[in-house]
Amino acid sequence: DQQVKQNSPSLSVQEGRISILNCDYTNSMFDYFLWYKKYPAEGPTFLISISSIKDKNEDGRFTVFLNKSAKHLSLHIVPSQPGDSAVYFCAASSGYALNFGKGTSLLVTP
Amino acid sequence: DVKVTQSSRYLVKRTGEKVFLECVQDMDHENMFWYRQDPGLGLRLIYFSYDVKMKEKGDIPEGYSVSREKKERFSLILESASTNQTSMYLCASSLPVTGDQPQHFGDGTRLSIL
Repeated sequence: DQQVKQNSPSLSVQEGRISILNCDYTNSMFDYFLWYKKYPAEGPTFLISISSIKDKNEDGRFTVFLNKSAKHLSLHIVPSQPGDSAVYFCAASSGYALNFGKGTSLLVTP
Repeated sequence: DVKVTQSSRYLVKRTGEKVFLECVQDMDHENMFWYRQDPGLGLRLIYFSYDVKMKEKGDIPEGYSVSREKKERFSLILESASTNQTSMYLCASSLPVTGDQPQHFGDGTRLSIL
């Protein structure tokens, strides 16, 4: 059963605007949440994470928001750039392993 | 920078063959992982290892085994390859258990079973 869900398979945003990628989870025992970015023919690269005791973490253009009561997190990219076009995976941790969502393909158009 | 190296980028094998996928990391990480990535299914964990000679099953271990004889190397073995094991295989490594220690991934092996 999928414990981490990314319900939007794709998203298209204009350059300079905000990209918002969403993720829902079902397991309240997850203690960390991470976002990975993946380009074709490359492995995923770590982008940003957030502890379950926080509700926001910011790193440059990237901000992750966590709403524990709703079991929902989101990744905001501001401003979006064409180089941000990639597949974004949400992941949640409870111990050794990560549970990944199915990914959202982001396209940033000029 | 962490370097996770997978021995092959592309591999073509036949059904019934025994297939070895090799992964090496250079950061002395305790944890190593094997995932497969399929369209519409995301990344699914096959096996992981938290120490030399230690292994744990992930979500989809059937048809696979692993070997970790040295800390830096983690091998995935397809005992008798089948066409449904055609996929992108990704290896990752990380420091020991703390949730915010990100896993570092190799570039993947695209395996085709004919």
